[in-house]
Amino acid sequence: ILNVEQSPQSLHVQEGDSTNFTCSFPSSNFYALHWYRWETAKSPEALFVMTLNGDEKKKGRISATLNTKEGYSYLYIKGSQPEDSATYLCARDNYGQNFVFGPGTRLSVLP
Amino acid sequence: DSGVTQTPKHLITATGQRVTLRCSPRSGDLSVYWYQQSLDQGLQFLIQYYNGEERAKGNILERFSAQQFPDLHSELNLSSLELGDSALYFCASSENSGSGYEQYFGPGTRLTVT
Repeated sequence: ILNVEQSPQSLHVQEGDSTNFTCSFPSSNFYALHWYRWETAKSPEALFVMTLNGDEKKKGRISATLNTKEGYSYLYIKGSQPEDSATYLCARDNYGQNFVFGPGTRLSVLP
Repeated sequence: DSGVTQTPKHLITATGQRVTLRCSPRSGDLSVYWYQQSLDQGLQFLIQYYNGEERAKGNILERFSAQQFPDLHSELNLSSLELGDSALYFCASSENSGSGYEQYFGPGTRLTVT
């Protein structure tokens, strides 16, 4: 199993702050990286699927970048709002083999 | 609402028993994935089906099996249940099986083994 790591484990920010967190993964035989947002008592919600080195994707105030050569992805949230409070998961898609999820970054946005 | 449905929502059963969890993918999605989330672990990939055929396999125990039917719904069968099998089981679906397709998660089935 190829380990996927995320940092920090948890994060508390004030409303209006911008923040970012990291997903690290083995860079060999890379196919795709998925980001999910997981609110308590709900199911994971897809944010981005990234496949190409240098990819940048954006959805509203959330954006992500991908570096497949060094094996990391950053997720950025601009102007955090209380409704952004959730666990953010990344997962490495090992095509035809499995999906390996990171442990997640738990974000709390304080009003 | 992702469009993926899972039944039942909750299931309580005893050790040694067998249960079946059911998943209906979003309309038009051909690929189904099963995941397990135990209390002390993150989300673990179990197995993937695409258009009725097994496509990828993760850390799925031999006591567990799954299948995808011609109407594309999928079932996850868990047998000889142990206390450690208590977990939240998610199903997800995607349009296709290759990399680059978003997965849409169902609400999950919470299994409690007593």
